[in-house]
Amino acid sequence: EAGVTQFPSHSVIEKGQTVTLRCDPISGHDNLYWYRRVMGKEIKFLLHFVKESKQDESGMPNNRFLAERTGGTYSTLKVQPAELEDSGVYFCASSQDRGRSYEQYFGPGTRLTVT
Amino acid sequence: GDSVTQMEGPVTLSEEAFLTINCTYTATGYPSLFWYVQYPGEGLQLLLKATKADDKGSNKGFEATYRKETTSFHLEKGSVQVSDSAVYFCALGGSNDMRFGAGTRLTVKP
Repeated sequence: EAGVTQFPSHSVIEKGQTVTLRCDPISGHDNLYWYRRVMGKEIKFLLHFVKESKQDESGMPNNRFLAERTGGTYSTLKVQPAELEDSGVYFCASSQDRGRSYEQYFGPGTRLTVT
Repeated sequence: GDSVTQMEGPVTLSEEAFLTINCTYTATGYPSLFWYVQYPGEGLQLLLKATKADDKGSNKGFEATYRKETTSFHLEKGSVQVSDSAVYFCALGGSNDMRFGAGTRLTVKP
């Protein structure tokens, strides 16, 4: 079974540019999550999809971030325009079920560097 | 809100040394607790988990016990190996998300 995949693995862009990150969850997983780790700090939740619907987007930092999951399969996270403080590692995770007991399966992350 | 506080690193040990990484949590209700590990160049992998008080999670020689009375879930291993070098994250399962600690980088030297 293929795991969660993310693309690209690394992106370097200039301030003001746009970047789109992609996540392909494990097949059959309705729940998809985005997280971010900035400067070696804790991994913070951004948002949660159930199929194509946003279940919780309370962690999205501001309206420069837009996440989509059309068709309930893969998801994209667009940052437009990027700022220096957006640099970090963006993780995607998926799970078959949701709730406090269920493991989330993580992708390798996309390292975003904004210069 | 729910949160996790994790021992800050980095931690450097010699091979075969004993490892403890402290993790405490604050939560309403009874969350599940997890330890994830990130090896160099790889994504986060579940190392072990515990779903209720007094449960012990174990995997690859690592253990952690869910202690409700001390709100802790410390990670231990009796004899570390060079291959255990990685970043370890303590996490708490929420309704929609996981709450993570800041991560502890472990380096094991031969």
